[in-house]
Amino acid sequence: ETGVTQTPRHLVMGMTNKKSLKCEQHLGHNAMYWYKQSAKKPLELMFVYNFKEQTENNSVPSRFSPECPNSSHLFLHLHTLQPEDSALYLCASSRNRGTRADTQYFGPGTRLTVL
Amino acid sequence: AQKVTQAQTEISVVEKEDVTLDCVYETRDTTYYLFWYKQPPSGELVFLIRRNSFDEQNEISGRYSWNFQKSTSSFNFTITASQVVDSAVYFCALSRYDGNNRKLIWGLGTSLAVNP
Repeated sequence: ETGVTQTPRHLVMGMTNKKSLKCEQHLGHNAMYWYKQSAKKPLELMFVYNFKEQTENNSVPSRFSPECPNSSHLFLHLHTLQPEDSALYLCASSRNRGTRADTQYFGPGTRLTVL
Repeated sequence: AQKVTQAQTEISVVEKEDVTLDCVYETRDTTYYLFWYKQPPSGELVFLIRRNSFDEQNEISGRYSWNFQKSTSSFNFTITASQVVDSAVYFCALSRYDGNNRKLIWGLGTSLAVNP
């Protein structure tokens, strides 16, 4: 299943800019996730939404602001980022966060560079 | 501690060779799930397999096979007759419940290069 799309695929922004990342899933799932992937580090879970409600925020700085208007769409609003925020940002979805066997399906990611 | 170790950082093979990617995990849970994902250069993490802790049968899917051994806490992945298209980073992950939420614990990945 490859029904998770992300836009833009690449983004370069200055530290004072405001931008948003968009994720859309076409799988009929109820849970959506934002991950950050940096070189030489394990995948970092940032936020989780289940049935549009945020269920997890893993101590992410407030310069990252998620929004989930419905179960199919997830946004990550970015403002006043730092160069160390440069990374690949991956969106994922799964059927239901509460089930043990829940499998996450990922989008292609947004490669973010902060200058 | 809950942990996933992929000791091989990078592997390079020649096409048609068999290659095994190791995954060793640590968990105190009696029920858990293990996953393998593939990340090609395009960036998308592609789900390959999910295995629960009660099912130790090996699995084969085409050129891919997985060997789950609870006794050694390992869930190794073998690609038979590798192809250039298999070049990617492969991640092993462990799913566990922390009392509040279900979490995936990820390994650091093994970068596989299959050369023609």
